[in-house]
Amino acid sequence: AQKITQTQPGMFVQEKEAVTLDCTYDTSDQSYGLFWYKQPSSGEMIFLIYQGSYDEQNATEGRYSLNFQKARKSANLVISASQLGDSAMYFCAMREGREYGNKLVFGAGTILRVKS
Amino acid sequence: DGGITQSPKYLFRKEGQNVTLSCEQNLNHDAMYWYRQDPGQGLRLIYYSQIVNDFQKGDIAEGYSVSREKKESFPLTVTSAQKNPTAFYLCASTKGQKNTEAFFGQGTRLTVV
Repeated sequence: AQKITQTQPGMFVQEKEAVTLDCTYDTSDQSYGLFWYKQPSSGEMIFLIYQGSYDEQNATEGRYSLNFQKARKSANLVISASQLGDSAMYFCAMREGREYGNKLVFGAGTILRVKS
Repeated sequence: DGGITQSPKYLFRKEGQNVTLSCEQNLNHDAMYWYRQDPGQGLRLIYYSQIVNDFQKGDIAEGYSVSREKKESFPLTVTSAQKNPTAFYLCASTKGQKNTEAFFGQGTRLTVV
């Protein structure tokens, strides 16, 4: 079964507008970590934001925020005031299992294109 | 500067040959991972290792092998048993705890000719 599901293969957004990238996850653990990464066309992986399963507040990092709905098992990424440089592939990822000895798994990704 | 280094950046292999991709980190991270990425696709986990001399299979381990003889190094061998090895390979490392992010290398693009 898929651990991480990103249902939007591709998204378009107008420059300066906000966009939400969806992510749902599947785990039976109470303790887990959720991550978002950005991958530009160069192929490098850039860490954006982290949300812990016990965190009560939604994580924010600059223009990035994470809409964490634990009961729904969703961890959507919100990018505010989109810029042309935000055009990239975006991946949701999760670490679950033991505190040491866990593994990091990724979703299929969403390609975001920002239009001027 | 601390980081994670993959080499080479581009690699060409003839069918039937084994090839080894290098991954070195100087971040003192416990865990290391290998992922495969096909064009327009997500990252699929090949192997991962939490400590020296120990590693586990990921979701697509068939046709690959790894070793972890040193904390800093986690080489991946793509064997001739891997039927479709052409792909982009990413190595990552993390601290052991679940609340820490992964650091990635620049990737190796392997092409079978």
